Amino acid sequence: AQRVTQPEKLLSVFKGAPVELKCNYSYSGSPELFWYVQYSRQRLQLLLRHISRESIKGFTADLNKGETSFHLKKPFAQEEDSAMYYCALSLTGGGNKLTFGTGTQLKVEL
Amino acid sequence: EAEVAQSPRYKITEKSQAVAFWCDPISGHATLYWYRQILGQGPELLVQFQDESVVDDSQLPKDRFSAERLKGVDSTLKIQPAELGDSAMYLCASSLAQGNTEAFFGQGTRLTVV
Repeated sequence: AQRVTQPEKLLSVFKGAPVELKCNYSYSGSPELFWYVQYSRQRLQLLLRHISRESIKGFTADLNKGETSFHLKKPFAQEEDSAMYYCALSLTGGGNKLTFGTGTQLKVEL
Repeated sequence: EAEVAQSPRYKITEKSQAVAFWCDPISGHATLYWYRQILGQGPELLVQFQDESVVDDSQLPKDRFSAERLKGVDSTLKIQPAELGDSAMYLCASSLAQGNTEAFFGQGTRLTVV
């Protein structure tokens, strides 16, 4: 069965510092990987997906099939980046069912 | 901007009682999902509908949970009887089609069983 691991429950960084939220997955096939974000008192929303290969709000994530990782990175953290981040996996042809990690709370301090 | 609507936002119920949650997906979205999120964990799929048909309910505890989407639009998730371990956030999400992978989430229903 597929599994998504986010090893850090909480990541605290200073404003302007680089950010890296770790995500590893286990699945033998070719999954689709996503990052979802939940800001305080808001609903869960898609941040980015690996097939788009785009940068959203300064965040990027590269799928590394060799290391089965999909880490989320941003060179300079902003206060408004403080939120809960979830890595998720969807199986190709699996009907879009998302398997989520346990999430990482990012706190950007001034 | 179209959003997934859920009600109620909060529900407190006594164990062994019945409880129901309602979800109205974004108009035109054929695929609807119910997820459960226990505190400190990520969302976990309970049931997935394609129009009015269930396509995945492998993680739904069918002895006490039921879900329906009779006209292929809005959906109801029911628990009867509720147990203490059912306390969680219940999230509804929808996507345009099975082949479209972006899911839009509702605000969720926070259930507390006492």
